Amino acid sequence: GAVVSQHPSWVICKSGTSVKIECRSLDFQATTMFWYRQFPKQSLMLMATSNEGSKATYEQGVEKDKFLINHASLTLSTLTVTSAHPEDSSFYICSARDYRRGRNTGELFFGEGSRLTVL
Amino acid sequence: AQSVTQLDSHVSVSEGTPVLLRCNYSSSYSPSLFWYVQHPNKGLQLLLKYTSAATLVKGINGFEAEFKKSETSFHLTKPSAHMSDAAEYFCVVSGGANAGGTSYGKLTFGQGTILTVHP
Repeated sequence: GAVVSQHPSWVICKSGTSVKIECRSLDFQATTMFWYRQFPKQSLMLMATSNEGSKATYEQGVEKDKFLINHASLTLSTLTVTSAHPEDSSFYICSARDYRRGRNTGELFFGEGSRLTVL
Repeated sequence: AQSVTQLDSHVSVSEGTPVLLRCNYSSSYSPSLFWYVQHPNKGLQLLLKYTSAATLVKGINGFEAEFKKSETSFHLTKPSAHMSDAAEYFCVVSGGANAGGTSYGKLTFGQGTILTVHP
């Protein structure tokens, strides 16, 4: 299947710093990528939809100035957690749709996730 | 609007015995349904998907699921559990290509079911 890669897989940072997480589609182009957040023992919550060449669409309750999303190319979207605080500690997962395979089904391909711990 | 309910937060089985993970959904459109598996600190891997074709869907690792429209269910089964099946499983609904508007492509996740397999 299609491959989506996330980096870093885990990161520890001090409170007040900013952290960037990258999401790459390795063998396909993705005009749209999705960013999810997963709290311990909970399901995934969609944070935002990242659109190549335009602004991201944020879900209700997600601070766009806190979670900056950039989708500069068809294979790369980045999520920057700005001025991170301990409550931002979570597992962040990105996904993308390979339109060659997933267009009519909505199937998404997921990255391995990035675990952020803010001290 | 769409929603997913996984009826069991935890399921425990013995190795070699059948597995049943229950999922009910609601959707305003003809849905696409998925089961994803997540191992600890990992991303999500697609097990199987239903996309309005055959109602009995076979997936990887011996899993299968049956779409029952009258019961709005999409339960996941496996005849014989293996230790490596221990993970968290998510039932997911997508509005699919027929949904249009903001439902298209958006995945709605169930709360997840943690499967434990005892020796």
